[in-house]
Amino acid sequence: DGGITQSPKYLFRKEGQNVTLSCEQNLNHDAMYWYRQDPGQGLRLIYYSQIVNDFQKGDIAEGYSVSREKKESFPLTVTSAQKNPTAFYLCASSIALQGFPHGYTFGSGTRLTVV
Amino acid sequence: AQSVTQLDSQVPVFEEAPVELRCNYSSSVSVYLFWYVQYPNQGLQLLLKYLSGSTLVKGINGFEAEFNKSQTSFHLRKPSVHISDTAEYFCAVSDLNSGYSTLTFGKGTMLLVSP
Repeated sequence: DGGITQSPKYLFRKEGQNVTLSCEQNLNHDAMYWYRQDPGQGLRLIYYSQIVNDFQKGDIAEGYSVSREKKESFPLTVTSAQKNPTAFYLCASSIALQGFPHGYTFGSGTRLTVV
Repeated sequence: AQSVTQLDSQVPVFEEAPVELRCNYSSSVSVYLFWYVQYPNQGLQLLLKYLSGSTLVKGINGFEAEFNKSQTSFHLRKPSVHISDTAEYFCAVSDLNSGYSTLTFGKGTMLLVSP
């Protein structure tokens, strides 16, 4: 079955270390997204990519980096510059049609805890 | 830019009671509208969507929503809730006039169903 795989589901890191979250999709979707979720704050967009080798900053890109070398993969690196990295991270993908009539498909998330 | 307002952060209800979760968006231009559900520590699943046509949209798990263009609303309803409906619900909107942009999400409404 097609879908989005995020790994790992839980991740623990020490403060000051960079960490990379994996996101892979086999839906043949052009567009991919990273969101951060904190209690009571909804979903906040970190980065998105409409096509391979191109990506755009979202609302809270500081302290994060991404790459899009393959259509299927959109890894997110949480750098030591991110002041409060502990959160639930969601990856999503979509067909890149204007208006997104099919909406987004989401992965199951990665809960990152920095100690 | 679009904005989405979910007026209630929490909605407590008893099992088998009806429920309405409210969603308003900022513009009356052409939009696509979505409702997603998130169970604890999981990603978001699409409940239903409005693209065009009938303003009453039926989704999974017995949910339905009504698009009201004049009131820029897309409220979610269920006539009789179950304990298993306890989850967080997100409304999202896509502005067709903004080109290849992103969905805008509300901050979510936690539905708490008790026996």
